[in-house]
Amino acid sequence: DAGITQSPRYKITETGRQVTLMCHQTWSHSYMFWYRQDLGHGLRLIYYSAAADITDKGEVPDGYVVSRSKTENFPLTLESATRSQTSVYFCASSESAGAVNEQFFGPGTRLTVL
Amino acid sequence: GDSVTQMEGPVTLSEEAFLTINCTYTATGYPSLFWYVQYPGEGLQLLLKATKADDKGSNKGFEATYRKETTSFHLEKGSVQVSDSAVYFCALSKGGATNKLIFGTGTLLAVQP
Repeated sequence: DAGITQSPRYKITETGRQVTLMCHQTWSHSYMFWYRQDLGHGLRLIYYSAAADITDKGEVPDGYVVSRSKTENFPLTLESATRSQTSVYFCASSESAGAVNEQFFGPGTRLTVL
Repeated sequence: GDSVTQMEGPVTLSEEAFLTINCTYTATGYPSLFWYVQYPGEGLQLLLKATKADDKGSNKGFEATYRKETTSFHLEKGSVQVSDSAVYFCALSKGGATNKLIFGTGTLLAVQP
């Protein structure tokens, strides 16, 4: 299907486990982003990528790792999950840089860390 | 640093009522401003945007005007419907090499029939 997809949509894991959230887009957009959504905080940027093999930290990167070996995929890994990482995670993409460019969002992954 | 402040929710309205959701921003330079909407169980989608002062963004009956003098981008709709029930996020971007969005905390709108 065309667009931006995330998997899994729901995930329950335990403290200390490694978890990988997947993001795939079919538009060949250069830019991809990971946000977390928490009540009272809105969406906060975790990591972003300007192109394959180029990634950089956002506002809240601690405890997360990303990679981007292919333009269409941007996985987010929690190396050792903590309860504070319970959240809804959104992936987004945009065609290029520039303040006028729209970001397109995936449907989100709801992660619960027990 | 740059930030966006939105009015606290939830906002509860009856169908056909007038809607205003306040948004103010703090930023250096000349950001672009956005309203995104999140329907229940879905990701965010762009509702409207404005890229320079005095621009008016509009879509689906919603409007917002970029007011640099008051650093505001308030969302308005003349007559809301039940289907408008969602969370609304105000955001800014300064573009550049990163194209990062800075979001407000979101405002939940509930429209009752």
